[in-house]
Amino acid sequence: AQRVTQPEKLLSVFKGAPVELKCNYSYSGSPELFWYVQYSRQRLQLLLRHISRESIKGFTADLNKGETSFHLKKPFAQEEDSAMYYCAPSANAGGTSYGKLTFGQGTILTVHP
Amino acid sequence: GAVVSQHPSWVICKSGTSVKIECRSLDFQATTMFWYRQFPKQSLMLMATSNEGSKATYEQGVEKDKFLINHASLTLSTLTVTSAHPEDSSFYICSARGGQSDGYTFGSGTRLTVV
Repeated sequence: AQRVTQPEKLLSVFKGAPVELKCNYSYSGSPELFWYVQYSRQRLQLLLRHISRESIKGFTADLNKGETSFHLKKPFAQEEDSAMYYCAPSANAGGTSYGKLTFGQGTILTVHP
Repeated sequence: GAVVSQHPSWVICKSGTSVKIECRSLDFQATTMFWYRQFPKQSLMLMATSNEGSKATYEQGVEKDKFLINHASLTLSTLTVTSAHPEDSSFYICSARGGQSDGYTFGSGTRLTVV
């Protein structure tokens, strides 16, 4: 069965500290992986996707196919990073780009001053 | 950038009535849209995939007669909650894939309260 796991529901760090939000997935084939962020009272926003390999707001995520993980990292957390973060794999639908996007349970990150 | 507009942002209805929620892609065409449901302090649960010009694909356990989806154009999908009951109260979110980033863009959600 296809499954995505974010083991930490809550994560607290101090400003300037490194942060890592874990994500493990169990998917058939080669899913496309995303991280989405939801700031307070705002809609979900794309943070990054694994195929673009870009860094957004200082966050990076490396896809580890061996460990089936896609952990999100930032070396120096900022207070404005406090939000809900979702890891979301998308199943490739027959080679097209319109596969279903499913969400992990989410991790609430709180960055203290 | 890609924008998805969802309307209404909140609605209160009486038990037994039906409620329609609209999801529009404003600056791009979306052949596929997705509908999610989110309970308080929980993650998003995919309900169905809305396909332009064809029937929606529902996830296991989602009643298709309860949650009617229509995707009549490349920019509009609607979700109708029929004969709503208090247990249907939830936050409903739509998304579409497309636009510049080719990621998934989300609507702002609709808070449905059935009384």
